[in-house]
Amino acid sequence: GAGVSQSPSNKVTEKGKDVELRCDPISGHTALYWYRQRLGQGLEFLIYFQGNSAPDKSGLPSDRFSAERTGESVSTLTIQRTQQEDSAVYLCASSSRTSGSYEQFFGPGTRLTVL
Amino acid sequence: RKEVEQDPGPFNVPEGATVAFNCTYSNSASQSFFWYRQDCRKEPKLLMSVYSSGNEDGRFTAQLNRASQYISLLIRDSKLSDSATYLCVVLNFNKFYFGSGTKLNVKP
Repeated sequence: GAGVSQSPSNKVTEKGKDVELRCDPISGHTALYWYRQRLGQGLEFLIYFQGNSAPDKSGLPSDRFSAERTGESVSTLTIQRTQQEDSAVYLCASSSRTSGSYEQFFGPGTRLTVL
Repeated sequence: RKEVEQDPGPFNVPEGATVAFNCTYSNSASQSFFWYRQDCRKEPKLLMSVYSSGNEDGRFTAQLNRASQYISLLIRDSKLSDSATYLCVVLNFNKFYFGSGTKLNVKP
């Protein structure tokens, strides 16, 4: 079946511009996560959505970052007034969280370059 | 202190070798543990969950030591295709914490 998809796959933007990244999770997956991975680094948690509960935004690095999710489907991550340090791969993952399964399925990521 | 710490490597081993990675975690209340594999410029994929009693999947063996707060991954009979970065992952109250990864290079 279809996996997690993300768009765009690559985004080059100028410092100060806003960008919007999209994630389509696997159908039926109630949990959705956004991560940031800088070159040569591990994954940095950004935000977590679970069903209709309030999202866990504790990983968002600044108020320039925000994310939304429509029900249990598409999520968008918005970065306002981008800075060069925002350059990274942004990964989305979804999980069904059923039967004690915590496996996360990752999308291919959006590679963001801020010039 | 980081939630999850790993030796970044790289571990350079010949085909057929046995190699082991360790990972330590800081929160004793952590609930679940995993090893993910990440190929260069690709997304991470689940390799295996780690159970308290230890578990094996083919050439891969994972172990958990809650008292010492470390997790290990043993790879036997290494293949060229095992070359990747191995990420240690810990679940705390719905949040996953990823180590920075240990890079493995298996040479012919």
